[in-house]
Amino acid sequence: EIVLTQSPATLSLSPGERATLSCRASQSVITYLAWYQQKPGQAPRLLIYDASKRATGTPARFSGSGSGTDFTLTISSLEPEDFAVYYCQQRTNWPSITFGQGTRLEIK
Amino acid sequence: QVTLRESGPALVKPTETLTLTCTFSGFSLTTRGVCVAWIRQAPGKAPEWLALIDWDDGKYYNTSLKTRLTISQAPSENQVVLTMTNMDPEDTATYYCARQPRFMEWSFDFWGQGIPVTVSS
Repeated sequence: EIVLTQSPATLSLSPGERATLSCRASQSVITYLAWYQQKPGQAPRLLIYDASKRATGTPARFSGSGSGTDFTLTISSLEPEDFAVYYCQQRTNWPSITFGQGTRLEIK
Repeated sequence: QVTLRESGPALVKPTETLTLTCTFSGFSLTTRGVCVAWIRQAPGKAPEWLALIDWDDGKYYNTSLKTRLTISQAPSENQVVLTMTNMDPEDTATYYCARQPRFMEWSFDFWGQGIPVTVSS
């Protein structure tokens, strides 16, 4: 099973700042990596798929990068609605699917 | 407009079997390259993929739970059913169904609102 490790566990920033979230895979997932945003009481929402492609409705301030084992989700300038928990997810070795443990983005 | 909605019991007893139904609209599971998956999330934990069914009735399971899970498409073509046997308090979680299309590289692009399930005697 491919393990995804996200860092940091918690990130404290202020609105307007840049956020950089990391996801590292225990083996290569090529670019089969997605990012989700989850707010309390809601289902996860797809932001990025195939490592760098924005899903429909994802604001341009969100960008994804990386390949192989190291991936990054960047939020260029934080808006108040961006404070949430973020998960990465891989689907290599179909259909084995795993999620990272999450990064909580909180207001400083 | 794609929508998914989970239904089933909110409370089950230990050792009982859980049966959940996902009712969806706005797409067809007979369309090549479309899957419907079940995912659960225990309180304060990350999501955990459970199972998926594809457009060709292929069925795939999380290997750690495989012996307890069955996924199927209900006679009504817009429903997918998940059964999980021998429920345990550790299975307490919110259970989601989600669409998983090939054109989104098999990510989960639409989710249901989730159904909280508690396992307790």
